[in-house]
Amino acid sequence: AQTVTQSQPEMSVQEAETVTLSCTYDTSESDYYLFWYKQPPSRQMILVIRQEAYKQQNATENRFSVNFQKAAKSFSLKISDSQLGDAAMYFCAYRGGGSQGNLIFGKGTKLSVKP
Amino acid sequence: DAGITQSPRHKVTETGTPVTLRCHQTENHRYMYWYRQDPGHGLRLIHYSYGVKDTDKGEVSDGYSVSRSKTEDFLLTLESATSSQTSVYFCAISPTGWGSYNEQFFGPGTRLTVL
Repeated sequence: AQTVTQSQPEMSVQEAETVTLSCTYDTSESDYYLFWYKQPPSRQMILVIRQEAYKQQNATENRFSVNFQKAAKSFSLKISDSQLGDAAMYFCAYRGGGSQGNLIFGKGTKLSVKP
Repeated sequence: DAGITQSPRHKVTETGTPVTLRCHQTENHRYMYWYRQDPGHGLRLIHYSYGVKDTDKGEVSDGYSVSRSKTEDFLLTLESATSSQTSVYFCAISPTGWGSYNEQFFGPGTRLTVL
């Protein structure tokens, strides 16, 4: 079975600085997708960024980028120029290439941003 | 924003009573999912549906049943609620279960408390 591990329950960053959230996963599949979701206090789940396993190029969305290391099964999220609005729970999620399509989530990392 | 609503948004009930949560979508997406979110566990899949009247179990399906009689509605039923089912429940939808960029869109969540 696939598993997703986020080893940092909490992280803190100074406004305008850069922070990296860690995620590792375990799978025997070769075709899969990885995601980072943000959950602010409103509870809404918001997709931040996604990565297809067959793509070697790391995904980037504005201030958010990933470091995808397929051999190491690592998928970290880097937030540059952190803003107060980035404060939230961040979840790493895995989806296999099969038809079921459900997401397997890590336990989350709570990010605080200090002004 | 994807058209997903959940009802009710909050519910308090007593142990042993039946509870039904509703997820309604206006996107005509084929796949629908029910997850529960608990502290220290991230989100875990309860049941999912891949079409009208087509459903299957997820990781934590014990004590839950689902039904989907129309594309737009996916119901989650707790036949006899227990305190261990106190949680936040999320519905999610996606157009297919596989393929590139198969983003899951999440509803706003339902907070259920079982006393």
